[in-house]
Amino acid sequence: GALVYQYPRRTICKSGTSMRMECQAVGFQATSVAWYRQSPQKTFELIALSTVNSAIKYEQNFTQEKFPISHPNLSFSSMTVLNAYLEDRGLYLCGARADWGGDTQYFGPGTRLLVL
Amino acid sequence: GDSVTQTEGLVTLTEGLPVMLNCTYQTIYSNPFLFWYVQHLNESPRLLLKSFTDNKRTEHQGFHATLHKSSSSFHLQKSSAQLSDSALYYCALSGMSNYNVLYFGSGTKLTVEP
Repeated sequence: GALVYQYPRRTICKSGTSMRMECQAVGFQATSVAWYRQSPQKTFELIALSTVNSAIKYEQNFTQEKFPISHPNLSFSSMTVLNAYLEDRGLYLCGARADWGGDTQYFGPGTRLLVL
Repeated sequence: GDSVTQTEGLVTLTEGLPVMLNCTYQTIYSNPFLFWYVQHLNESPRLLLKSFTDNKRTEHQGFHATLHKSSSSFHLQKSSAQLSDSALYYCALSGMSNYNVLYFGSGTKLTVEP
């Protein structure tokens, strides 16, 4: 079956430092990977979409300078939160869409970021 | 742009009573995908239901929803709530312009009491 792993599951960083998180698709090739953030007591916001052979598209309020994303192959993506501050805390999810098409995004378990 | 509205932030009801969580959406595209995700405490969201077809009921694990394009709605229902149904429920939309991403509603926290 299709699985998505995220690493680390939980991390704490000091304010002003950076933190990298990874997303791994297992059992399928991810033609696209979308990154979301769920801030405390809030819903999921789309950060950016990374599609193979296309430029990474960031949503309003999110920039490459703050959340650089790497998508080197069809099974792996990483995102870094640069210069993290309190407002960056939350659960970061990656959602991968499989190469067999269909309408389902497979979510990883998320990386929970705490900023001190 | 695409958006989803869930009007109830909190719903509390007694076990055995019916559940209905509202979801309406806005999109310029005529064939959106609508989803319901459920999120339990400290877990990632899990797909509960999805639909693409107008006026067709879709069911899973006792929950059901029908996409009504005429009213842009995709309400989640269950005939009898169980204690284990307590969770956060998110309605989400995927528009045909970019079906690789989801736009989530604000979520409804369902609490089922004995």
